[in-house]
Amino acid sequence: DAGVIQSPRHEVTEMGQEVTLRCKPISGHNSLFWYRQTMMRGLELLIYFNNNVPIDDSGMPEDRFSAKMPNASFSTLKIQPSEPRDSAVYFCATLAGGSTDTQYFGPGTRLTVL
Amino acid sequence: GNSVTQMEGPVTLSEEAFLTINCTYTATGYPSLFWYVQYPGEGLQLLLKATKADDKGSNKGFEATYRKETTSFHLEKGSVQVSDSAVYFCAFYFGGYNKLIFGAGTRLAVHP
Repeated sequence: DAGVIQSPRHEVTEMGQEVTLRCKPISGHNSLFWYRQTMMRGLELLIYFNNNVPIDDSGMPEDRFSAKMPNASFSTLKIQPSEPRDSAVYFCATLAGGSTDTQYFGPGTRLTVL
Repeated sequence: GNSVTQMEGPVTLSEEAFLTINCTYTATGYPSLFWYVQYPGEGLQLLLKATKADDKGSNKGFEATYRKETTSFHLEKGSVQVSDSAVYFCAFYFGGYNKLIFGAGTRLAVHP
């Protein structure tokens, strides 16, 4: 299996622009998580989906952030408009569900907002 | 509330030194416990896990034992290598909410 796939790996944009990050989960995994990692705040859970349905979005920092999972093989995290404080590494992770409890992380997208 | 407390880094060691990274947790019940490792420029990878009290997780020479009485899951390795330089995250699985609760991470630097 290819593992969790994220794109792009690096994104540089200017303040005010829309940013879309993409994630393809491991086939058969039915839970998907979006995390943000910064030096100041460490690893933060933003939102997670179970069977394509958002279950907990309490970590989404504000209305500029939105996430979707239109089907079992694709999810997006969108920031609009972007701000310099959104600069971070964004990770997607997936979990097979059932009795398993191990999350598998993608390589991350490093976002820089100028 | 539910939380994980890890030893603050960075931890700097010479090659072949003994490593301990402390981790304690606060949780209701008896969650599964994990150590994840993040190498430079990469995502987190599962290093080891333990699912019940007194279980020992092990992988790549690293070990950690689930201690219910002290709510701890300390990571140890007898002889570190330069290639072990990374950030190590302790976590527990909050099953009721299908979440992993992570510690802040501990950066390990091993020099020759």
